[in-house]
Amino acid sequence: AQSVAQPEDQVNVAEGNPLTVKCTYSVSGNPYLFWYVQYPNRGLQFLLKYITGDNLVKGSYGFEAEFNKSQTSFHLKKPSALVSDSALYFCAVRDWGTDKLIFGTGTRLQVFP
Amino acid sequence: DTGVSQDPRHKITKRGQNVTFRCDPISEHNRLYWYRQTLGQGPEFLTYFQNEAQLEKSRLLSDRFSAERPKGSFSTLEIQRTEQGDSAMYLCASSPRSRGYTEAFFGQGTRLTVV
Repeated sequence: AQSVAQPEDQVNVAEGNPLTVKCTYSVSGNPYLFWYVQYPNRGLQFLLKYITGDNLVKGSYGFEAEFNKSQTSFHLKKPSALVSDSALYFCAVRDWGTDKLIFGTGTRLQVFP
Repeated sequence: DTGVSQDPRHKITKRGQNVTFRCDPISEHNRLYWYRQTLGQGPEFLTYFQNEAQLEKSRLLSDRFSAERPKGSFSTLEIQRTEQGDSAMYLCASSPRSRGYTEAFFGQGTRLTVV
């Protein structure tokens, strides 16, 4: 069965510092990986995806993610955090059979001024 | 804004009552998904449609749950005889064939509270 794991419930970072939100995956075959962000009382917003190609994927709002096949990881990164980045972040993998998304449990990012 | 629209945004109901939620996907998106999200968890897949055909239902979807997409446009999710365990955020997403169904666009969700 395909799955993703987000080992950190919360990540705290000071504004202006780089941030990393971790995700590891377990799939059979090539993974399609995604990051979504959820602000309070809002739906999920798509940030970026990895399908194939370059291991460094650039997405919305200055976020990027690095696909590492040997470590089965897909960590979300941003060079300089903003207070407005504070939200709940979800990593997801696409199920091959149904194309549904299988989500991790989420990581709350808190960026302090 | 022509994003995914869900109605209502919030619903409080008494245990045992039936509730129905509506989702209007982005126009021309073939696929429509329903997910459920409980506090502290990521969304969990419930069911999905390609046009009007319901292609898969999760084991999470008990026989009290039913979903339809009658004309391949909007969809409804009905829960009969609600239970307290049904309290959750119900999310709808749509996905276009033009992007190989690799991007899902989510609505803001319907938060259900069963008292």
